[in-house]
Amino acid sequence: KNQVEQSPQSLIILEGKNCTLQCNYTVSPFSNLRWYKQDTGRGPVSLTIMTFSENTKSNGRYTATLDADTKQSSLHITASQLSDSASYICVVSGQAGTALIFGKGTTLSVSS
Amino acid sequence: EAQVTQNPRYLITVTGKKLTVTCSQNMNHEYMSWYRQDPGLGLRQIYYSMNVEVTDKGDVPEGYKVSRKEKRNFPLILESPSPNQTSLYFCASSLTPPVGGGAGLTDTQYFGPGTRLTVL
Repeated sequence: KNQVEQSPQSLIILEGKNCTLQCNYTVSPFSNLRWYKQDTGRGPVSLTIMTFSENTKSNGRYTATLDADTKQSSLHITASQLSDSASYICVVSGQAGTALIFGKGTTLSVSS
Repeated sequence: EAQVTQNPRYLITVTGKKLTVTCSQNMNHEYMSWYRQDPGLGLRQIYYSMNVEVTDKGDVPEGYKVSRKEKRNFPLILESPSPNQTSLYFCASSLTPPVGGGAGLTDTQYFGPGTRLTVL
């Protein structure tokens, strides 16, 4: 069964610190993996998109990595800011005919 | 400004009263979809559309209808809403489908602001 598991479920860090969020998936065959940021009560916003041939992609202070062999991805946030407080969702796409598989997200809280 | 708009943003209704949630995008995107988001379950796809007059079921289509008569609009219809359809709904669009091995591999999917629906 195609699944996307994210960890931790929630995380609290101090402003200025770094953190790493994990995403493990079982989707096969694999096409691409996306990370979204979702502020409370708002629609998800795309952070990074990686195909199976890419192993890292950056967007400002956000860096996503992908290991297609172990079916793992991580999202690293550098020098966190209060505005990084949000839910981060990992989404995996299979080949044609399969839907997007959404993880349940990691809720990040950045405190001052 | 490139955007996906949804209306209404908030709606409280009663069981059985037909309702429509509108979705519109101004980016000439071919692919549009509807999702619902529930606590502890994450986002689940309801319906999607590859282009005008082409729609298909997602993971949780029961109780919903859609239509795609124009490229920019993709309304979600609840013919007879029930309390288990209380949820946060999102419309999304992308230039090409975000699945499969085609050109849509790296197309950004844009989400609307959401519609919070309560069915009493």
